[in-house]
Amino acid sequence: GQQLNQSPQSMFIQEGEDVSMNCTSSSIFNTWLWYKQDPGEGPVLLIALYKAGELTSNGRLTAQFGITRKDSFLNISASIPSDVGIYFCAGPPRGRDDKIIFGKGTRLHILP
Amino acid sequence: GAVVSQHPSWVICKSGTSVKIECRSLDFQATTMFWYRQFPKQSLMLMATSNEGSKATYEQGVEKDKFLINHASLTLSTLTVTSAHPEDSSFYICSAEPPTRAKNIQYFGAGTRLSVL
Repeated sequence: GQQLNQSPQSMFIQEGEDVSMNCTSSSIFNTWLWYKQDPGEGPVLLIALYKAGELTSNGRLTAQFGITRKDSFLNISASIPSDVGIYFCAGPPRGRDDKIIFGKGTRLHILP
Repeated sequence: GAVVSQHPSWVICKSGTSVKIECRSLDFQATTMFWYRQFPKQSLMLMATSNEGSKATYEQGVEKDKFLINHASLTLSTLTVTSAHPEDSSFYICSAEPPTRAKNIQYFGAGTRLSVL
């Protein structure tokens, strides 16, 4: 079935650094969603993208819908301790717009 | 807006007992809710789609007799894990799609951690 591949699996950065992560698929997606999950909590929606090439910001977060519609990127600028968590990309697989599938996540750690 | 509440947040039960988890949309009506399962350090796996007033749609490999879903009102869906066994221990998360937002936008509950002894 369709899969979303997230990279990197985990990141260890210093506070204040910028972060980049991406999500790719072998299939076209018409919607890209980025969620963040804190330990023991449900995911929280960060950004939703609906159009190829779209670039959307939410505070220090910026996400882009890839031109090929097979990838998306999430950037976090000037990271702070509360950015720690797991970032998931998600989207409706082709032919099934009644559900969304999730990538395996990128775990962000901030070094003291 | 778009708040989804899940209860309980944590439950411990004996093997063979049944456990009910509730998912409520607090400020919107949801004709569709979703139930996910998440293993430690893994992604979310969709178990089933809960449809108000009709039967749930289960994903391949999910036992519908094991995981009973009821969506009796536009603000409440329940997941009952029947005759729970240790392998059912997991983090269960529900979500709902507000009808006033764009399609595929799901808002999630805080999850329920189930531990079966």
